[in-house]
Amino acid sequence: EVQLLESGRGLVQPGGSLRLSCAASGFTFSNYAMNWVRQAPGKGLEWVSGISEGGASTYYADSVKGRFTISRDNSKSTLYLQMNSLRAEDTAIYYCAKSRLVVVTAAIDYWGQGTLVTVSS
Amino acid sequence: EIVLTQSPGTLSLSPGERATLSCRASQSVSSYYLAWYQQKPGQAPRLLIYDASSRATGIPDRFSGSGSGTDFTLIISRLEPEDFAVYYCQQFGSSLTFGGGTKVEIK
Repeated sequence: EVQLLESGRGLVQPGGSLRLSCAASGFTFSNYAMNWVRQAPGKGLEWVSGISEGGASTYYADSVKGRFTISRDNSKSTLYLQMNSLRAEDTAIYYCAKSRLVVVTAAIDYWGQGTLVTVSS
Repeated sequence: EIVLTQSPGTLSLSPGERATLSCRASQSVSSYYLAWYQQKPGQAPRLLIYDASSRATGIPDRFSGSGSGTDFTLIISRLEPEDFAVYYCQQFGSSLTFGGGTKVEIK
């Protein structure tokens, strides 16, 4: 059974930093691209970032480019999202999400339960 | 950036009725790069359809997807009580973007 377990939720002040982690199990982590998708309270889904299966290629939404960094450790089957210079509009539930394929440009077939990030003073 | 516009915003139907959801793209999207998701309150989204018309594992055949170019459709042939939820389309031909969602509510 595929499981994606996010951690790192918290309340952060504007301008602060936070690192999210996602522990994956139930599939060969190194064979698939991974993503982070977020959902602001009461709003729709927004893709944030994606990373290829080996980590060589990374992609970002314009809204987070230059502030967020996605990475992965295939030896630990873990995905990360380093978030810097956080803004109030980054407040959302952040989902760890597995691509169907080795590339980021694919449907997302499994999602974690999400972790809440709140940016507020 | 490809913008996806979903309509209607809310669909009020009764169990047993047919639901037709629309997703229109601002530019042409290859059928291989269009997916549909279902999200219930307090839950993560669930993949329903990928490649515009292929059902994901475990998805009942009352869900079907179709379309090409800029116009895509999700049909739920006969609504079951568990189908009342929010549905999102997503394209991944050029970066990844989601539509704003269609809420299917009980009439």
